[in-house]
Amino acid sequence: AQRVTQPEKLLSVFKGAPVELKCNYSYSGSPELFWYVQYSRQRLQLLLRHISRESIKGFTADLNKGETSFHLKKPFAQEEDSAMYYCAPGDSGNTGKLIFGQGTTLQVKP
Amino acid sequence: DGGITQSPKYLFRKEGQNVTLSCEQNLNHDAMYWYRQDPGQGLRLIYYSQIVNDFQKGDIAEGYSVSREKKESFPLTVTSAQKNPTAFYLCASTPRGGGSYEQYFGPGTRLTVT
Repeated sequence: AQRVTQPEKLLSVFKGAPVELKCNYSYSGSPELFWYVQYSRQRLQLLLRHISRESIKGFTADLNKGETSFHLKKPFAQEEDSAMYYCAPGDSGNTGKLIFGQGTTLQVKP
Repeated sequence: DGGITQSPKYLFRKEGQNVTLSCEQNLNHDAMYWYRQDPGQGLRLIYYSQIVNDFQKGDIAEGYSVSREKKESFPLTVTSAQKNPTAFYLCASTPRGGGSYEQYFGPGTRLTVT
């Protein structure tokens, strides 16, 4: 079965510290990989996707096929980064479905 | 103003009653999805529809039903058979049903059943 694991429910860091939100998946094939973010009182929205290789709001995510991981990183956290983050690989069955992880709440303290 | 809308924002129902949550999009997207969001469990897929007049069960379809009679609309009915219906429900859409596209989410409906 396709599974996504985000091992940390809560990650708390101080402003300016590096951040890494972990994501591991158990899949066959090469799924498209996404990170979604939900800021307080806002809709869930796309943060970045692997295929575009963009850096959004200073965040990057590296795919490690050997470890089947897609960790989200930012070198210097800002208070406005505080939010819930979801890792979401695409379904390998070409249905357009996403398989969401449990989510990690990032808390950036001043 | 384009986008995906859900109504109402908050919904309260008595146990044993069916309730229908609305999801509408004017993005001309083919595919639509319903998720349930519970603390500590992430988003779980209830139903999805890749094209009008067609839909498939997701991972937790029991106690729910949907219809897709129009491209713009994908209502979700929470039936009395759903054992734990109190949750936050999210609707999403993508341009096409296959492949991997960004999903666009609605603002959600919080359902409370007492």
